[in-house]
Amino acid sequence: AQSVAQPEDQVNVAEGNPLTVKCTYSVSGNPYLFWYVQYPNRGLQFLLKYITGDNLVKGSYGFEAEFNKSQTSFHLKKPSALVSDSALYFCAVRGPQEGRRALTFGSGTRLQVQP
Amino acid sequence: EPEVTQTPSHQVTQMGQEVILRCVPISNHLYFYWYRQILGQKVEFLVSFYNNEISEKSEIFDDQFSVERPDGSNFTLKIRSTKLEDSAMYFCASRGIRDSNSPLHFGNGTRLTVT
Repeated sequence: AQSVAQPEDQVNVAEGNPLTVKCTYSVSGNPYLFWYVQYPNRGLQFLLKYITGDNLVKGSYGFEAEFNKSQTSFHLKKPSALVSDSALYFCAVRGPQEGRRALTFGSGTRLQVQP
Repeated sequence: EPEVTQTPSHQVTQMGQEVILRCVPISNHLYFYWYRQILGQKVEFLVSFYNNEISEKSEIFDDQFSVERPDGSNFTLKIRSTKLEDSAMYFCASRGIRDSNSPLHFGNGTRLTVT
């Protein structure tokens, strides 16, 4: 079975500082990995995905994520945080053998960026 | 940009009553999903739907739940006899067919409160 772990319930960072939101996964075969963001009273919005190729993927709003196969991780990063980045972030995974299987989401990490 | 729309935004019902949550996926999408989120926490997969049939469901999706695509645009989730623990945000999502790793597009959700 596929699973995702987001070990931090909340991450606090000062505006302008780099941020990292951690994610590790478990899946059979090569993973398909995603990050979504959720603002209050809204649905999840896609940020970026890793399917194959370069381990560093770039996405919306200046976010990027690094796929590390040996550590089974897919941490979300941003060089300089903005107050408007404050939201709930979800990592998600799908395995290649499960062609139509829906994504499995992590428990979410709340990012709080202080001015 | 096309959106997934969900109605109502908030539904209050008494325990034991039937509720129908409605979704209009993006028009050229063919894979449809329902997820739920309890108290802003983990996003849990309920069911996926393709080609007019359920393609996968989770252990949460028991006999009390059903989905239907009654016409060419709507996708509904019915809970036959609601329980207190069904209180959650219910999100509909859809994705296109060409790329099996295309991102899910989520609606803003229906908040279901069972009293």
